Formats: sequence, C-alpha cells, structure tokens
Amino acid sequence: DTEVTQTPKHLVMGMTNKKSLKCEQHMGHRAMYWYKQKAKKPPELMFVYSYEKLSINESVPSRFSPECPNSSLLNLHLHALQPEDSALYLCASSHVLANPLGNAYNEQFFGPGTRLTVL
Amino acid sequence: AQSVTQLDSHVSVSEGTPVLLRCNYSSSYSPSLFWYVQHPNKGLQLLLKYTSAATLVKGINGFEAEFKKSETSFHLTKPSAHMSDAAEYFCARLSGTYKYIFGTGTRLKVLA
Repeated sequence: DTEVTQTPKHLVMGMTNKKSLKCEQHMGHRAMYWYKQKAKKPPELMFVYSYEKLSINESVPSRFSPECPNSSLLNLHLHALQPEDSALYLCASSHVLANPLGNAYNEQFFGPGTRLTVL
Repeated sequence: AQSVTQLDSHVSVSEGTPVLLRCNYSSSYSPSLFWYVQHPNKGLQLLLKYTSAATLVKGINGFEAEFKKSETSFHLTKPSAHMSDAAEYFCARLSGTYKYIFGTGTRLKVLA
C-alpha cells in the first residue's frame, strides 16, 4: 500500500461546529504532517509528528488540534474555525532517514486532501 | 536563509513540444531537492528527487531534472508535452529533517 488516504473529501462547517479530519497511511512511515493550502499557493506546514510525538507546531491557532493515536493515523480536530480557515488540508507522511552525509532526504507522500469550507 | 525560487508563475506550451520549468535554490552544501505536480483539487504527487547521487534525475511520466551546482538550479524538463501534463508544479527543498521549503509554483498550460 503506497498511498495516503484522507477523509472526508469535502467538509462544510459552521463557526461553532466541531469536526475532525482523518489521515491514514500503511507505508511504515514514522513522520506524519498536516499542511494547509490556499488557492494558487504552495502548501504551508502546520504540524509534524515524528514517532507519534508532536515535533513541530508552526504557531498554528489552538482552534486546530492535532492528534496521532498510532503510527498509521493522524487526526486534525477543528473547533470554532473562522471563514479564513477555508482551504485544502493536506496530510503527508515520510520515513525519517538520513543519507551517509547525515542529511535528510525522504520524500513526503501526500494524500488527496480535504476541501474545508467554513461558513 | 534557504530558499527556492520558481522563475515562472505560468508556462504555456503546445502539445508535443518540450517543457522547461525553472527552479533555483539558495546555495547549500548538499540540498535535497524535489519536484511535485498537483492537478486541480488533488494532492501533490512526487515527480522526482535529487539526493546527492546522479545529477540527471529521471522521474515519472517522462520528466527529468538536472542538478547544476554551478548555477544552483534544478530545472524540470520533458521532451514532449501531453495534455494531461497541465497542472501546477512545485519545486521544493528539505530544510532540516521535516520541513519542505516550497517554491511559489508554476502553472503549466498545454495547448492543443
């Protein structure tokens, strides 16, 4: 299995709703990522989990709450979002390896994304 | 600071003609560089990567890229464009273990 799956594909929510995005991979990757992508822009990193521990939080507002229940699953819990949070949310995963020079080189595998609309 | 610059925001080619998408990176002793493609409302798909091995890298769907240290470039090419190549293309480099630095993207349009 060489793919990252995300559910749901589309999500419409009000500003008072609570919802969750889900991401799953079975490639044995130990790093998992959440990105936010606005139209005509590159993805922006939000969170990184490495070995199920939060490694990077790119100063994301607390209305976004990530969770990594196990090495294959990644969730993003959403609460009290704003209309400007509407975007494509991408999940990705990768190995955590280095080449002989000690440099990381692992490509990230992306899921198809969840298109989120906040009303 | 490490950076990636995609020199063209839009490129238009006719079907069957060569494709050149340009990417320059800020100088680094050993960058890991990637090209991704994104079709509308889809995730990013890896086309190819450079990781200090061969300087000419072959990828999927007939794409290839050449790493030129003297020019700090990693341009993406394809000999003959197909209609299905129309998409957004992102050049990226790794900064540390996890962080991608993305270019701003190049939208490729293929004319019939």
